[in-house]
Amino acid sequence: RKEVEQDPGPFNVPEGATVAFNCTYSNSASQSFFWYRQDCRKEPKLLMSVYSSGNEDGRFTAQLNRASQYISLLIRDSKLSDSATYLCVVGSFMIYNQGGKLIFGQGTELSVKP
Amino acid sequence: NAGVTQTPKFQVLKTGQSMTLQCAQDMNHNSMYWYRQDPGMGLRLIYYSASEGTTDKGEVPNGYNVSRLNKREFSLRLESAAPSQTSVYFCASSEIKGAGQHFGDGTRLSIL
Repeated sequence: RKEVEQDPGPFNVPEGATVAFNCTYSNSASQSFFWYRQDCRKEPKLLMSVYSSGNEDGRFTAQLNRASQYISLLIRDSKLSDSATYLCVVGSFMIYNQGGKLIFGQGTELSVKP
Repeated sequence: NAGVTQTPKFQVLKTGQSMTLQCAQDMNHNSMYWYRQDPGMGLRLIYYSASEGTTDKGEVPNGYNVSRLNKREFSLRLESAAPSQTSVYFCASSEIKGAGQHFGDGTRLSIL
């Protein structure tokens, strides 16, 4: 089983749609959670951190369920510019024998159409 | 505001050649990382340096070596390049290990 699993997509949605991405992780000791965005042939860019209480940044809302080891990202009112691959990322920075690595999911591709 | 700078951006090598990929960050981050990204595989950690003076293996370290030259710079060396090392290589840095990382533009490496 992969440490971080995502639906690879692609998700094809019209402009203005609401789209949700899901992610599960296997290491219950994980302590840091992020969503990254990667445009074609470009570097990944940090979109937002994910906190247990849930957090929102404009049209983007991230949720974390530690009990179910599940992370989600909701994008409201999709724009053409939202087209990209969204990477779910899980890390542990307090467990030194694990080296504090980030584990990246393979990503979910989103294509927003006019 | 450079962030993380990688050089070169593109490189073609012949099997058996050696080369060093350079990475520098100007954010005073403690931790630095090297990843490779292949189609269908996602990002895989090659080596990382939690702080200046330390380096550790990641998921796929074979065929690579690293040097944390100082707090700013973290280089990746291929001693004897193989076609299986054809990939896009990303360097990243973070304030502390396990925190959100900032990535360089990537180095596209082809080995013939």
